[in-house]
Amino acid sequence: KAGVTQTPRYLIKTRGQQVTLSCSPISGHRSVSWYQQTPGQGLQFLFEYFSETQRNKGNFPGRFSGRQFSNSRSEMNVSTLELGDSALYLCASSVRAGTDTQYFGPGTRLTVL
Amino acid sequence: DQQVKQNSPSLSVQEGRISILNCDYTNSMFDYFLWYKKYPAEGPTFLISISSIKDKNEDGRFTVFLNKSAKHLSLHIVPSQPGDSAVYFCAASGVFSSGSARQLTFGSGTQLTVLP
Repeated sequence: KAGVTQTPRYLIKTRGQQVTLSCSPISGHRSVSWYQQTPGQGLQFLFEYFSETQRNKGNFPGRFSGRQFSNSRSEMNVSTLELGDSALYLCASSVRAGTDTQYFGPGTRLTVL
Repeated sequence: DQQVKQNSPSLSVQEGRISILNCDYTNSMFDYFLWYKKYPAEGPTFLISISSIKDKNEDGRFTVFLNKSAKHLSLHIVPSQPGDSAVYFCAASGVFSSGSARQLTFGSGTQLTVLP
């Protein structure tokens, strides 16, 4: 089975721009979660989608949004980028919502200049 | 407020010796705990987990211990190998109110270096 894929792997943007990141889960997995990883902060939960519905959301501003499509692929959007948004964005999939064992993609490294 | 804490950002161990990685949590509603391992340029991979009804779970060279009264868990790697060098994340999950969804809360990670 192919693993979780994320595109693009690297991205450079400037302040004020917006960005869209994409995640394709493992085949058969219907839940997709997004995390932000910054040095010293570990993985901060952004949101989880299951069957095209957001079922859980972390403590991030409204500039961070996401969606899930009928084929379980998910996108994450960040508008009005700030320098502090520079991070590794990780997507994880699982068979069901609320499943603790999640399978992570390699991440998208976003740099905001 | 970090509910899951890994107070040691780094740990160095000699090959063949035991590696002990520690994790503390503050929320008593957590009932499931996991360890993930992360190599550079890769996403975290699941390593081992433990339910709050147990105090020990073993899988090959990896053993996780849970001390609920102390709200502390640890990961033991015996014997340590150079290929174990990675960042290790502790994670916890629970249901905090009726109808709420489970989610994973991660610690900040510990960089383990196993020296040959």
